[in-house]
Amino acid sequence: DAGITQSPRHKVTETGTPVTLRCHQTENHRYMYWYRQDPGHGLRLIHYSYGVKDTDKGEVSDGYSVSRSKTEDFLLTLESATSSQTSVYFCAIATGPGSRNTEAFFGQGTRLTVV
Amino acid sequence: SQKIEQNSEALNIQEGKTATLTCNYTNYSPAYLQWYRQDPGRGPVFLLLIRENEKEKRKERLKVTFDTTLKQSLFHITASQPADSATYLCACGSQGNLIFGKGTKLSVKP
Repeated sequence: DAGITQSPRHKVTETGTPVTLRCHQTENHRYMYWYRQDPGHGLRLIHYSYGVKDTDKGEVSDGYSVSRSKTEDFLLTLESATSSQTSVYFCAIATGPGSRNTEAFFGQGTRLTVV
Repeated sequence: SQKIEQNSEALNIQEGKTATLTCNYTNYSPAYLQWYRQDPGRGPVFLLLIRENEKEKRKERLKVTFDTTLKQSLFHITASQPADSATYLCACGSQGNLIFGKGTKLSVKP
């Protein structure tokens, strides 16, 4: 398995509190992604990073921010959690579109419940 | 906006038959297209990649086609088995982003 770890695996938090999810990789891949997965919506891209301090928005970025200060870590922050952000969050890593083998490797997921 | 559509939410087939899943994209010119398998409670797992200049790719019982004129990819599983039952996701990539369809849940009955 690719070296990618998400933490925490499960979290319950209250509306209005800040939450940070962590994705850690040991593969030295350039690209890292955060997705959320909800019934009826599939996997939706929140933000992605193509290098240290280089990030871009995905299709559902409102209410989320990200940071990547080191190659191996990509943090997703919900500044003020809302019930609509209850979801399963997946992190993924990839070498990038210019690489021969550009498949994404996914973490185990984080189940976040906002009450 | 860019859109990836997998036409069927669910597909039920008999063991031994060929399963064919469809992926269409709009407002997009992906450099490559990928297919993933996802089992309940797990993250997606990569199966196959096909680039825009390729028509067809095969891997064991899997085959994927890519038609840039129709803006469509077909994913085939031949001689399907109950163990192939899972959700299959199509993903398109270009310039670093990677966008997924909603998936098709395949059930293979013995």
